[in-house]
Amino acid sequence: EVQLVESGGGLVRPGGSLTLSCAATGFSFSNYWMTWVRQAPRQGLEWVANIDQDGNIKYYADSLRGRFTISRDNAKNSLYLQMNGLRAGDTAIYYCARTPHPHFDFWGQGALVTVSS
Amino acid sequence: SYELTQPPSVSVTPGQTVRITCSGHELGDKYVSWYQQKSGQSPVLVIFQDTKRPSGIPERLSGSNSGNTATLTIRGTQSLDEADYYCQAWDSRAVGFGGGTKLTVL
Repeated sequence: EVQLVESGGGLVRPGGSLTLSCAATGFSFSNYWMTWVRQAPRQGLEWVANIDQDGNIKYYADSLRGRFTISRDNAKNSLYLQMNGLRAGDTAIYYCARTPHPHFDFWGQGALVTVSS
Repeated sequence: SYELTQPPSVSVTPGQTVRITCSGHELGDKYVSWYQQKSGQSPVLVIFQDTKRPSGIPERLSGSNSGNTATLTIRGTQSLDEADYYCQAWDSRAVGFGGGTKLTVL
C-alpha cells in the first residue's frame, strides 16, 4: 500500500525557517518524481515544487523560487522541503504527492505550517 | 505557473449529469488531470491523461479535453460526489491548478 506521511509542520515566526519531510512507503520511491503542493486556509491547491527521480531536476513556482528548496534522499525514501524567510502568506497545509508525471496519483495527509508572531 | 480557470461553483440534483469545465491556453495540447477533495481530506486523483480513471473511480466520472477546455462529467450524480474538484495540467516546467469548483448536490 502506497503511503506518504508528512512531518515537520508547526508554528513559526515570520522570517523563520522550517523543513518538512515526507516519508514514503509501499512503492519504489527512487522511480518517481515527487511534488509538494500547498493549500492555504479555505483556498485552492497551489503547486510548490517538484523533483525528478535522481534529484537533479527541480522546478519551483515562480513566487517561491529562492526561498524554498526541494530535495530528496532515495536511501531513506524521503522527500524534503526547506522553507526560509517564511511569511504569513505561507500559512497552509503542505502535501507531498507521488508524481508519475504529469499527474499526482497519491497524496499524503498533509502537514500544517502556521506563520504567525 | 500555468493559469487554469474553473467556475467557482456548480450545483446538481441527484441522478442528473453535471459538467465542470477547466480552461487554459492551448489546454488541448496538454494532459489534464482532475482531483476530488472532500471537506477535511486530502485530494484524490479521479481522472488522469484527460480521460483515464484510476482503479476504484466509478465509470460515471469521465473526462474530455479539446481546444482550450477540459471537462469533467459526472453522470448519475450522488450525494457522495459533493466535493471540491480541481483540474491540473503541466506546462513545460510549471504545474498549474484550477481555482477549484465546489460541487453541491441539492
